[in-house]
Amino acid sequence: GDSVTQMEGPVTLSEEAFLTINCTYTATGYPSLFWYVQYPGEGLQLLLKATKADDKGSNKGFEATYRKETTSFHLEKGSVQVSDSAVYFCALSEGSGAGSYQLTFGKGTKLSVIP
Amino acid sequence: KAGVTQTPRYLIKTRGQQVTLSCSPISGHRSVSWYQQTPGQGLQFLFEYFSETQRNKGNFPGRFSGRQFSNSRSEMNVSTLELGDSALYLCASSQYKGQGASPLHFGNGTRLTVT
Repeated sequence: GDSVTQMEGPVTLSEEAFLTINCTYTATGYPSLFWYVQYPGEGLQLLLKATKADDKGSNKGFEATYRKETTSFHLEKGSVQVSDSAVYFCALSEGSGAGSYQLTFGKGTKLSVIP
Repeated sequence: KAGVTQTPRYLIKTRGQQVTLSCSPISGHRSVSWYQQTPGQGLQFLFEYFSETQRNKGNFPGRFSGRQFSNSRSEMNVSTLELGDSALYLCASSQYKGQGASPLHFGNGTRLTVT
């Protein structure tokens, strides 16, 4: 079945450092790929998405490129801020024959940014 | 536009009891999904409803059930609660647009504790 593997955390960075969170996936077809972020006490928020190979998703300074050849969707940000401290989830979505979609999530990576 | 609303935010139940959680999707969204989040298993898909029909179900026992009403609001029910059902239950809605993978919009969740 489908699966998502992302780097284990926690990750601790100083403010303005460069961030990379690795994500690789296994899927039978051509999934859409997502990064979601979860702040303490809240649900998940969509950070960015890519729906086909070589697409680049971007939002709030975060970027990720859909790499079909390496089945990867690594999240990057050039300069992190304290407000970026959260848990980040990589996810994929594949449709079923009934037109239904479900997300398969990675385990999440907790990021802490210190001033 | 109001976001996804889940009630209640917190619940404490005893083993063997049953519980009902409620979710109101974003206005105009017709698909509602439920996910269970635990520290050990991460985020796992429970089921998805569209136009009052369950289209997809995850690998959970029959004690977990749900339904969707004509106004797209959804409820999930867990009967004969077990300690392992303690989790954050997240509801998400999406705007179904044919075969495209519409992003999910999550609520803040219901924290269920089973004692």
